Amino acid sequence: GENVEQHPSTLSVQEGDSAVIKCTYSDSASNYFPWYKQELGKGPQLIIDIRSNVGEKKDQRIAVTLNKTAKHFSLHITETQPEDSAVYFCAAISLRLNQFYFGTGTSLTVIP
Amino acid sequence: DTAVSQTPKYLVTQMGNDKSIKCEQNLGHDTMYWYKQDSKKFLKIMFSYNNKELIINETVPNRFSPKSPDKAHLNLHINSLELGDSAVYFCASSPDRWSSGANVLTFGAGSRLTVL
Repeated sequence: GENVEQHPSTLSVQEGDSAVIKCTYSDSASNYFPWYKQELGKGPQLIIDIRSNVGEKKDQRIAVTLNKTAKHFSLHITETQPEDSAVYFCAAISLRLNQFYFGTGTSLTVIP
Repeated sequence: DTAVSQTPKYLVTQMGNDKSIKCEQNLGHDTMYWYKQDSKKFLKIMFSYNNKELIINETVPNRFSPKSPDKAHLNLHINSLELGDSAVYFCASSPDRWSSGANVLTFGAGSRLTVL
C-alpha cells in the first residue's frame, strides 16, 4: 500500500514570511495529490491539488510542486497571514484504485 | 446547502453505551467514507462504501459497524464504547469519476465523540 510522510509536524512563521510543507509517497500508482486545510473545529477543506502529469500549480498565494521521479510534493504559501493558521494535510491518491492516503498533518501557526 | 452533513456534532457518553453517528451527502457521489481523527490530528480511514457496498474495512474493532441504507447515507454505529473511542469522526464522500478541477474528497464538519 501507499505510505505518505509529511514534514514538519509543526511550523511557526512570522506574518508575511513563506511556509513550506513537504510530503513523500511510496506508490508509483498514485496520480493525484491534493492538499487540505483544516481549521479549528471544522472538517478538512481542499485548497489546491496537482495531477501527476503536471510539475507545478499555483493559485494566488499558494502553490504546489510535484517531483514524480523522487516521489515528493510540496505546498508553498507565500506572504502568510494569520488566517493561514491551521492544520494542513497532504494526500496521495490513486484515482484508478480509488484509494486515498493522508499525511500526518502539519500544524501551521502564523505569528502576527 | 451543506454538501456532507453529519450529526450529532458533539456526543458525550458513558463507557459501555452504544451510539450512532449519521452522515448524508447531497453531492450525488457514489462513495462514502468514515475517518477517525485522534488527538494528534492523524486522519485514519475506517470504512468506505461504494453504492451501498463495503469496499474498505481497515483494522477496526467489530464494535464499529457502518450501515449504508442508500448511496447518499452512511451511518456509523458503535457498540460498547470505550475510552479510546474518544475522537473526532469525519464522514466524507467522493465521485467515481473525477473531472478536471473536481474536488475528489469532500468532508463533513466532524462529530466529536467523548467517552467518559
